Amino acid sequence: DAKTTQPNSMESNEEEPVHLPCNHSTISGTDYIHWYRQLPSQGPEYVIHGLTSNVNNRMASLAIAEDRKSSTLILHRATLRDAAVYYCILREQGSSNTGKLIFGQGTTLQVKP
Amino acid sequence: DTAVSQTPKYLVTQMGNDKSIKCEQNLGHDTMYWYKQDSKKFLKIMFSYNNKELIINETVPNRFSPKSPDKAHLNLHINSLELGDSAVYFCASSQVFAGSTDTQYFGPGTRLTVL
Repeated sequence: DAKTTQPNSMESNEEEPVHLPCNHSTISGTDYIHWYRQLPSQGPEYVIHGLTSNVNNRMASLAIAEDRKSSTLILHRATLRDAAVYYCILREQGSSNTGKLIFGQGTTLQVKP
Repeated sequence: DTAVSQTPKYLVTQMGNDKSIKCEQNLGHDTMYWYKQDSKKFLKIMFSYNNKELIINETVPNRFSPKSPDKAHLNLHINSLELGDSAVYFCASSQVFAGSTDTQYFGPGTRLTVL
């Protein structure tokens, strides 16, 4: 399984944008990039996913580099409620996909009021 | 309505005991999972079931036995509990198995403490 690398922690001020980076230099051409987050004392929750093009949803935006070796999760206006551990996960297509999510250490985002 | 629910939320027990954790999803999904989050916060897959059939067993000791009575339920039974079993256990479900774009929905977790 291709691996991802994320900074251990980041800080942000409330109501400012946050850019959470993820490196995945060994990504294959068919791997999807998924982001999940885990709020304190809760289970992980899905945030967004993409393949090649940038993606937007109500929670966040995902910017994918042209060579796909890195991506950035963008929270447009961080709130205190966005303080969580953010995980960048690659998911394979085809028969090698076993369905499991492989979590790394993630990035712990701290949001200051 | 809670999409994925687990009971109990907390479980404190002695070494050597046998305990079960229950999981139910009301999303109509075909696939369910158990993940374990250890004290260092690493989340790791333990099992996955698709249509009540075991698909993944990630070298989990056979003291752990998942049971899926129907597609909406995946219970985890643990025999002869050990100190190292202390962790938070998360149940999850997804609509399809091994879909590269599917979303997994997680339960709130069960914090197991073995004394």
